[in-house]
Amino acid sequence: KQEVTQIPAALSVPEGENLVLNCSFTDSAIYNLQWFRQDPGKGLTSLLLIQSSQREQTSGRLNASLDKSSGRSTLYIAASQPGDSATYLCAVGDRGSTLGRLYFGRGTQLTVWP
Amino acid sequence: SAVISQKPSRDICQRGTSLTIQCQVDSQVTMMFWYRQQPGQSLTLIATANQGSEATYESGFVIDKFPISRPNLTFSTLTVSNMSPEDSSIYLCSVTTGITYEQYFGPGTRLTVT
Repeated sequence: KQEVTQIPAALSVPEGENLVLNCSFTDSAIYNLQWFRQDPGKGLTSLLLIQSSQREQTSGRLNASLDKSSGRSTLYIAASQPGDSATYLCAVGDRGSTLGRLYFGRGTQLTVWP
Repeated sequence: SAVISQKPSRDICQRGTSLTIQCQVDSQVTMMFWYRQQPGQSLTLIATANQGSEATYESGFVIDKFPISRPNLTFSTLTVSNMSPEDSSIYLCSVTTGITYEQYFGPGTRLTVT
């Protein structure tokens, strides 16, 4: 069974810092990997999707990389802002009979203070 | 992309009762998923609901407790039956679109069982 781990569990930084959030997974036979943002009491917002054949994706100040062979992904946030405060979830997409099914990590709770 | 709505957004229910959660998508999708997020935890898949077939449940979840309907390609319901305080969670539906299998989530239903 796929297991997804996110480090650190929580992170508190001053505004303007560049951040790296880490995600690791145990089974490299994945279809894709998605990073989500979750605000308190809300649903999930998709940030970046990386297909298994890709190495990285970028959107604005966000950059996600994927090293499938080592079972790792990182989410890089440049020039962090207080509005980035949220929980960031990494999810790995199943490749097998349940294509589309996601396995989630427990998230990194990010606080960016002014 | 897909826009997903859920009803109700939140509810407080008494032990032993049942609640049906509705999920509506703004476009036709094949695969819909129901997840549970218990307090302080990450997301756990309850079942996959494909139109025209029975829902597929994950280990630890049974149809008698979480019956699912999928009458068409834009709508699904999840019922939480004979509720106990341990069922207090956020319940989220999601869909995948296109060949990338990018997943989109509804805003969630926050359930409290007293």
